[in-house]
Amino acid sequence: ILNVEQSPQSLHVQEGDSTNFTCSFPSSNFYALHWYRWETAKSPEALFVMTLNGDEKKKGRISATLNTKEGYSYLYIKGSQPEDSATYLCAPGSGGGADGLTFGKGTHLIIQP
Amino acid sequence: NAGVTQTPKFQVLKTGQSMTLQCAQDMNHEYMSWYRQDPGMGLRLIHYSVGAGITDQGEVPNGYNVSRSTTEDFPLRLLSAAPSQTSVYFCASRPGTRSVDEQFFGPGTRLTVL
Repeated sequence: ILNVEQSPQSLHVQEGDSTNFTCSFPSSNFYALHWYRWETAKSPEALFVMTLNGDEKKKGRISATLNTKEGYSYLYIKGSQPEDSATYLCAPGSGGGADGLTFGKGTHLIIQP
Repeated sequence: NAGVTQTPKFQVLKTGQSMTLQCAQDMNHEYMSWYRQDPGMGLRLIHYSVGAGITDQGEVPNGYNVSRSTTEDFPLRLLSAAPSQTSVYFCASRPGTRSVDEQFFGPGTRLTVL
């Protein structure tokens, strides 16, 4: 079982502001890092899967970076909108990955109009 | 494609009762898994399967059984429900067994054990 830390636990941001949060994971035996977006009363939805050190992925106003050597990933949201309110989960996969992903507890993001 | 489907959406059980949570996917995915989600604990893996006929335990398997007789279906059985099993259960699937593959979640089953 991997030790996955996400910070902060929760975050209130004004509409239009940009924000970012962190996922920390063990750098040894790294295979892939997933980011999910989870809206209340829905199921988690994949944002990114990242594998290479220095990887950067972007989807609209949301982007993510990956540092596998030091074991962290950042998720950035530019120009936050109310629809960005959700819990953002990260999940590293280790080794061959046949076992399940280990999820962090998430960052709960609230965008205030 | 319906994606990953789960039934029922809600269930209330009494302590000691047994039941099966159903999960099906129509994407021909090899890998399927069950998670439970509890406040302050995040998503925790219960059991997973890398293909029909093959299952393995995750982080919190006690009190649950699974089987995978077909590629499409991966039911989760509660043998004798306990209040500690009150949770939201999510089924997930991904195309292959490697963790680089994107994972798709079902809508969840909210279970209450009295």
